[in-house]
Amino acid sequence: GAVVSQHPSWVICKSGTSVKIECRSLDFQATTMFWYRQFPKQSLMLMATSNEGSKATYEQGVEKDKFLINHASLTLSTLTVTSAHPEDSSFYICSAPTGGTDTQYFGPGTRLTVL
Amino acid sequence: KQEVTQIPAALSVPEGENLVLNCSFTDSAIYNLQWFRQDPGKGLTSLLLIQSSQREQTSGRLNASLDKSSGRSTLYIAASQPGDSATYLCAVATSGTYKYIFGTGTRLKVLA
Repeated sequence: GAVVSQHPSWVICKSGTSVKIECRSLDFQATTMFWYRQFPKQSLMLMATSNEGSKATYEQGVEKDKFLINHASLTLSTLTVTSAHPEDSSFYICSAPTGGTDTQYFGPGTRLTVL
Repeated sequence: KQEVTQIPAALSVPEGENLVLNCSFTDSAIYNLQWFRQDPGKGLTSLLLIQSSQREQTSGRLNASLDKSSGRSTLYIAASQPGDSATYLCAVATSGTYKYIFGTGTRLKVLA
């Protein structure tokens, strides 16, 4: 079945640095991908919609200049957390719907820890 | 604004019990509803997807029902096993989009 991968699976960085997270659809093309964030013991919150070839759309309260999204190809979306701070520490998960079906596949997640 | 709530927040049952997890949503104009399982520190595993026009879906020991008019869905787990221990999330897709609004989750522990 369709698979979505994320890289890296976990990352630890110093405060003030930038971190890039990749989301790939391995055996299907995804013109749209979604980025979610999950804080400890909380549910997933949609951050933004990544659109291939155009700008991402962000949910209310999500800083677009801090969370840069690039959907450069039909199989890759990247989320860059710029000038990361400890409060950005979270579990980031991407998802992608397969074309023509309602099935949406989720990546395994990336755990970001900012020291 | 769509809000999704799950009850109970946590549940501990002995092995072999049948159990019901509840999910409610405030806006009935949904595209579909999906139940997921999440193990600690892991990503999501899709369990069942119910389209807005459907009433229920079944997979093995799992059965999910949907009552769109009342804004409710239930996940029924038959003959629970310790391996079923996980957090169960329901999520609704807003009509016409693939955006999912997630519920608060139910942490299930099945005791051997």
